[in-house]
Amino acid sequence: EAQVTQNPRYLITVTGKKLTVTCSQNMNHEYMSWYRQDPGLGLRQIYYSMNVEVTDKGDVPEGYKVSRKEKRNFPLILESPSPNQTSLYFCASFPRQGLTYEQYFGPGTRLTVT
Amino acid sequence: GQNIDQPTEMTATEGAIVQINCTYQTSGFNGLFWYQQHAGEAPTFLSYNVLDGLEEKGRFSSFLSRSKGYSYLLLKELQMKDSASYLCAVRDLIKAAGNKLTFGGGTRVLVKP
Repeated sequence: EAQVTQNPRYLITVTGKKLTVTCSQNMNHEYMSWYRQDPGLGLRQIYYSMNVEVTDKGDVPEGYKVSRKEKRNFPLILESPSPNQTSLYFCASFPRQGLTYEQYFGPGTRLTVT
Repeated sequence: GQNIDQPTEMTATEGAIVQINCTYQTSGFNGLFWYQQHAGEAPTFLSYNVLDGLEEKGRFSSFLSRSKGYSYLLLKELQMKDSASYLCAVRDLIKAAGNKLTFGGGTRVLVKP
């Protein structure tokens, strides 16, 4: 089954404790993105990647890091989480070639930083 | 930059039609997407418009006017399961290679019996 997976689905952590949210896709897509979703603000792009070892900042990259060492994986790293990073996070992937460039979203990771 | 506006909430009756408008201002335009999102779940793709006109897909249709910076999503024969948020998103031409999408805040549609 074609899918994007994220882990963990739920995470409660404390300020300053480094964490990684994993994202993996099995569709051989070149492009992958990370978004955060907050009430009233919609989905905002954090980082995206056009292919292995190629990443770029989105609209709200501060406080986040990413890496793309393999095509299927695109982890999101919070080196020193803060309460303002409490949010719902989505990973997405899509192919370089396609009629619509439809993005496939993962199930989401709900992060709470206390 | 981009600015995308859509109504916050709409209410409609089962079996009726609802039209969700989306206006955008963008420095570059390379397509407009509509997504459906049920509470707590991931967005799912509904439609994509890059040329002016109407795209119909079953009970859902999407319209685009690039000169007016305007799109709408039309939901016909509403069903209770259509209660969800509907997200309008514009793809940035400047960074088309990276497929940067900017999303509106979403329109929450409540379908009543």
